[in-house]
Amino acid sequence: KAGVTQTPRYLIKTRGQQVTLSCSPISGHRSVSWYQQTPGQGLQFLFEYFSETQRNKGNFPGRFSGRQFSNSRSEMNVSTLELGDSALYLCASSPGWGTASSGNSPLHFGNGTRLTVT
Amino acid sequence: AQKITQTQPGMFVQEKEAVTLDCTYDTSDPSYGLFWYKQPSSGEMIFLIYQGSYDQQNATEGRYSLNFQKARKSANLVISASQLGDSAMYFCAMREGVRWGFGNVLHCGSGTQVIVLP
Repeated sequence: KAGVTQTPRYLIKTRGQQVTLSCSPISGHRSVSWYQQTPGQGLQFLFEYFSETQRNKGNFPGRFSGRQFSNSRSEMNVSTLELGDSALYLCASSPGWGTASSGNSPLHFGNGTRLTVT
Repeated sequence: AQKITQTQPGMFVQEKEAVTLDCTYDTSDPSYGLFWYKQPSSGEMIFLIYQGSYDQQNATEGRYSLNFQKARKSANLVISASQLGDSAMYFCAMREGVRWGFGNVLHCGSGTQVIVLP
C-alpha cells in the first residue's frame, strides 16, 4: 500500500509569490490534515479536511488555505509569501472522522514539502 | 499552557542500551490519545506507538513501550536495545476527543533529538 505522497519535495519561492502544495493520502483514507514545522515553533496544525469539507482550522492567517477533492487528494495554498513561511509542510492522512475507531487511528505523514522563501 | 511538554532537547545513548524519552501532557478531556512519532533527517514522521486514555495496559510495539502514568499525566517512551538507526528526532503528540473521533488535530511537543553512539 502506497504511503502519503506529497509533491513537490522542495520549493524555492520569493516573497510575494504564491505556492500550491499537493498531498495524496493513503488509499482509502478520507481525512487529510496539514502541519507546518519550523525549528522555532515545532509542529503546528494548519487545517483538516474530510469529505471535501474543512473540519478544523489552526491559528494561521487567511493567506493559508486548502481544499480537498472528491478523491480525497488535498492541496494547500499560501498566497503573498513571507520569509517566515519558510518551513517543512507535512500532510497527514487518517482513515476517517467522527467515529470512535477513527479517533484511535494514528495519523500517517508524508515526507513533506520543504518550502524556502527568499 | 503547553499541551505537550518534552523537556529533553537532546540525548546520547550507547548502542544496545535502553533510553527513556520524557513526555508530559495537559488536557481536561477525559478521552484522548497519545502518540509517539520518529522523524529521521529525511523529514517523514513515522508512527511508533499509541496509548488511549482508557487503555488499562501500557502499549508496546516491538522495541518501543510507553510508560503511561495517567495521574501524573506522563507518557514516556522507552526504546530498548538501541540501534544506530534509532538516531532521529522523537515527538510526543496528543489528540483530544478520541472517543468521538472528531478531529485529527495533533498537539505536538518540541521533540527530543536522540543520537545513538556505536
